[in-house]
Amino acid sequence: NAGVTQTPKFQVLKTGQSMTLQCAQDMNHNSMYWYRQDPGMGLRLIYYSASEGTTDKGEVPNGYNVSRLNKREFSLRLESAAPSQTSVYFCASSDRPWGSPLHFGNGTRLTVT
Amino acid sequence: AQSVTQPDIHITVSEGASLELRCNYSYGATPYLFWYVQSPGQGLQLLLKYFSGDTLVQGIKGFEAEFKRSQSSFNLRKPSVHWSDAAEYFCAVGPYNNNDMRFGAGTRLTVKP
Repeated sequence: NAGVTQTPKFQVLKTGQSMTLQCAQDMNHNSMYWYRQDPGMGLRLIYYSASEGTTDKGEVPNGYNVSRLNKREFSLRLESAAPSQTSVYFCASSDRPWGSPLHFGNGTRLTVT
Repeated sequence: AQSVTQPDIHITVSEGASLELRCNYSYGATPYLFWYVQSPGQGLQLLLKYFSGDTLVQGIKGFEAEFKRSQSSFNLRKPSVHWSDAAEYFCAVGPYNNNDMRFGAGTRLTVKP
């Protein structure tokens, strides 16, 4: 049982480049989330998807877009990467929008130079 | 404004000693409260949660936490720490905007032999 799988694990981008972070879950969860983790700041929600076909902004959505491709997959896109987006990105899922535990992937470490 | 405060950035305890990690929050109503643990290079794993009822909650790996409304606290405790408990611990509070939880900055735990 893989749980939540994120790709890639590591990525280095130059300022202005674009990329998509992929996330897939095999737990049949309805809700999926993208967080970023920065030293001294904990995790902050970028975007979430309460169910297939819906997405909403979280606390720090600027500079990002998301796609809920189907129930399993939720991707995060950086259209024009900036050094401020250097971070560790975590995808998570839960079986309902609120109140149930989050299941996290192992993260993507992104560096923007 | 900081919603969740973990006052201790780093704590070192000896193996076999007791542990208490502090979490204070600011929230307008009765919150949902969580503690997560993160091992190096991994995603976060839920240790325990409080929604309602008994204010002392038991979690996995021998951890417990106590919700104290009067102190706006949800401290994590373990009677006897094992070397494998070395990790980073995050307190989380919510909901915000119906679907978000806010994480503290984390406390890194080092266990001395």
